[in-house]
Amino acid sequence: DAGITQSPRHKVTETGTPVTLRCHQTENHRYMYWYRQDPGHGLRLIHYSYGVKDTDKGEVSDGYSVSRSKTEDFLLTLESATSSQTSVYFCAISFGTSGGETQYFGPGTRLLVL
Amino acid sequence: GDSVTQMEGPVTLSEEAFLTINCTYTATGYPSLFWYVQYPGEGLQLLLKATKADDKGSNKGFEATYRKETTSFHLEKGSVQVSDSAVYFCALRDNAGNNRKLIWGLGTSLAVNP
Repeated sequence: DAGITQSPRHKVTETGTPVTLRCHQTENHRYMYWYRQDPGHGLRLIHYSYGVKDTDKGEVSDGYSVSRSKTEDFLLTLESATSSQTSVYFCAISFGTSGGETQYFGPGTRLLVL
Repeated sequence: GDSVTQMEGPVTLSEEAFLTINCTYTATGYPSLFWYVQYPGEGLQLLLKATKADDKGSNKGFEATYRKETTSFHLEKGSVQVSDSAVYFCALRDNAGNNRKLIWGLGTSLAVNP
């Protein structure tokens, strides 16, 4: 258990509203990631962070922003939700020795945008 | 760029059958290779990994050998159980530089019937 929680676990929202998802870790690992999972697309990286206030874009970052003001929390914000952002969102952390570094995942947030 | 290709599913087997899920990769450097498993309604869990050529990862009866000559990391299990029904993801991380991102296959769904 890598001590990762996500909140909320389920959310229904309307098109055009802002939504913030929270990822919390208990072990002060440096690297954190946000993915979305959709049928036929597998896992796609949205944004990642390599430290407090240090973030970078992944492959599907349009329409999303992130913030990391504390080591333990990594927030994903949908500025103005669209139906195409209906998905399951997973947070992950990574740690380990060079070469053996491994990602560990949270339980996911199911988001439905109506 | 780096990529991972998994066999398409769904794969349907009877209990106690032999399982192989193929995974091949392309990478410019010397990647680490991973298999993750996702049970219904849950997040991804690391199943096994290998960090260099000829390494064999194993866990819960599953095995995969890092084959550099064939750029493959096929997942095998000698006798599957109903509880192995899940989606399996192959992934790589190119260890060149300071890269911390994983490249993912699209996942292979496995259903095991009693």
